[in-house]
Amino acid sequence: QVQLQESGPGLVKPSGTLSLTCAVSGGSISSSNWWSWVRQPPGKGLEWIGEIYHSGSTNYNPSLKSRVTISVDKSKNQFSLKLSSVTAADTAVYYCARAPSTMANAFDIWGQGTMVTVSS
Amino acid sequence: QSALTQPRSVSGSPGQSVTISCTGTSSDVGGYNYVSWYQQHPGKAPKLMIYDVSKRPSGVPDRFSGSKSGNTASLTISGLQAEDEADYYCCSYAGSYVYVFGTGTKVTVL
Repeated sequence: QVQLQESGPGLVKPSGTLSLTCAVSGGSISSSNWWSWVRQPPGKGLEWIGEIYHSGSTNYNPSLKSRVTISVDKSKNQFSLKLSSVTAADTAVYYCARAPSTMANAFDIWGQGTMVTVSS
Repeated sequence: QSALTQPRSVSGSPGQSVTISCTGTSSDVGGYNYVSWYQQHPGKAPKLMIYDVSKRPSGVPDRFSGSKSGNTASLTISGLQAEDEADYYCCSYAGSYVYVFGTGTKVTVL
């Protein structure tokens, strides 16, 4: 059973860079799945941030593309998110999720989420 | 891409049916059969309930069903149960390898 676990700092200063990692357990990140980041500001809806394939191919939300980098580390079976020039509007719960090859346009497994607050 | 439009809330009594709409455009909901639905209980991660408009993942009760007409997708919960009280989000492929979520709907079981 594949499981995802987010980790990273819970507090980031304005104008800084948010960095999170999603560890994949119970399966290989090199399997035929896309791996995504999704966020949810407090009391608000979900927003897709972007995705990566184990080959390193990425796709990003156009509204965040200039500030987002998603990378993969196959040796550690994990993928990461970097979001630069953060503001209070980036305060949210950040989830990692899997889009499997069998249902390539849906997210079937999610991490528990990690809260990131942007504040000085 | 703008968020897909969902009603803020819907409610029903136990045993009744409720339907949640998800309205987009011909560039997302109307253009692809790639609409998915997620259930989210407070403080929890979303859970996939429907994918590819109307398919149910293993383990999801058949009380949950999905459909689409034009630019609007719908999730119907039949035989409403107390545990169905949650927030529900639709999501659609929007072309160019981009996904867009709906605004979310709170389902209340009266």
